[in-house]
Amino acid sequence: GDSVTQMEGPVTLSEEAFLTINCTYTATGYPSLFWYVQYPGEGLQLLLKATKADDKGGNKGFEATYRKETTSFHLEKGSVQVSDSAVYFCALSPNNNDMRFGAGTRLTVKP
Amino acid sequence: GAGVSQTPSNKVTEKGKYVELRCDPISGHTALYWYRQSLGQGPEFLIYFQGTGAADDSGLPNDRFFAVRPEGSVSTLKIQRTERGDSAVYLCASSLTPRGTDTQYFGPGTRLTVL
Repeated sequence: GDSVTQMEGPVTLSEEAFLTINCTYTATGYPSLFWYVQYPGEGLQLLLKATKADDKGGNKGFEATYRKETTSFHLEKGSVQVSDSAVYFCALSPNNNDMRFGAGTRLTVKP
Repeated sequence: GAGVSQTPSNKVTEKGKYVELRCDPISGHTALYWYRQSLGQGPEFLIYFQGTGAADDSGLPNDRFFAVRPEGSVSTLKIQRTERGDSAVYLCASSLTPRGTDTQYFGPGTRLTVL
């Protein structure tokens, strides 16, 4: 069935470093793709999404491009901050109903 | 406006007991979803409602789990004869429609601990 596989963590970076968290997907159709973030002690929040091939989602300096040819949706940020420390989940949604999540990648940014 | 709310935030119960977990979705959202998140894992789909009906319950692990949404708003997830393996955070989400392009908004979750 449809699924996502994301880079295992944890990832530790220094402030202002470049971030990439890899995510690839398997799907029979044309799903929407999402990145959710879970800050310490908080619930899941949508970070960005893309609903069709070649779409680029962006928010808070994070970006991800829906690449059908490589079945990927890698998350990037040019310069991370300590406040970006969180767990990041890649997810896909088939035509409707449930969301399929990756296992999550824990990011720690050190000053 | 108010987001998705879930009660209780924490529930501790003994093996074999019955529990109910409540979800109050965002007003006007027709689709409601339940997920289960075990420690160190991503959320795992359980069931989704469109209006009052369960449109897809394929994620429910067994017949001890049941969910209802009688008036198309609040939903209750019911677990009978709880087992230690049921311990997890149970998440509820809602979206305006069930289209895959619509964003799902998550509640803070109910942490269930079965002793």
